[in-house]
Amino acid sequence: GENVEQHPSTLSVQEGDSAVIKCTYSDSASNYFPWYKQELGKRPQLIIDIRSNVGEKKDQRIAVTLNKTAKHFSLHITETQPEDSAVYFCAARDNQGGKLIFGQGTELSVKP
Amino acid sequence: EAGVVQSPRYKIIEKKQPVAFWCNPISGHNTLYWYLQNLGQGPELLIRYENEEAVDDSQLPKDRFSAERLKGVDSTLKIQPAELGDSAVYLCASTEGRGRDIYEQYFGPGTRLTVT
Repeated sequence: GENVEQHPSTLSVQEGDSAVIKCTYSDSASNYFPWYKQELGKRPQLIIDIRSNVGEKKDQRIAVTLNKTAKHFSLHITETQPEDSAVYFCAARDNQGGKLIFGQGTELSVKP
Repeated sequence: EAGVVQSPRYKIIEKKQPVAFWCNPISGHNTLYWYLQNLGQGPELLIRYENEEAVDDSQLPKDRFSAERLKGVDSTLKIQPAELGDSAVYLCASTEGRGRDIYEQYFGPGTRLTVT
């Protein structure tokens, strides 16, 4: 089955710097890759997603890139702000039934 | 539009007791998921429903866990009897699509279960 690896597990940046979180997946048939932000004690919130027929997607300060050949995708946050501090999860969706397989999470800390 | 609703938000029980969690998905969402999230880890799927049919329950520990979605709308997840290792957050999610259709999954706030 699908397996998703996420790195780094923790990331600390200064306010205004960029942050990059990387994920790899194992099943070449996976076709959808969402990113979720989870603040402490709250629900995971979808922040951006990308489908397998697209290489890059951007939404204001957030962007996601997908390399299907290498089977990895990345989240890029520019001009980070303290409110970006949270745990970020990547996920890959298998092509058969819609199950999301999540990475282990990255705890991002943005220091003012 | 209301999001995914879950109750209770918190539950503390003694081991060997039963517990039930309830989820009401976003209106019109055909597919409903129950996930388990352990501290510091990503959600793991327990069961997926398309309307009232459980189409993927391969990761549901059926000796103690059960779920139902009788009318294809809200759903209940039950544990009987609970064990210490069941302490976690139980998340419900829903999506408009089904099967191979790709639609965003939206999560509820979760139920934090503590088994003592």
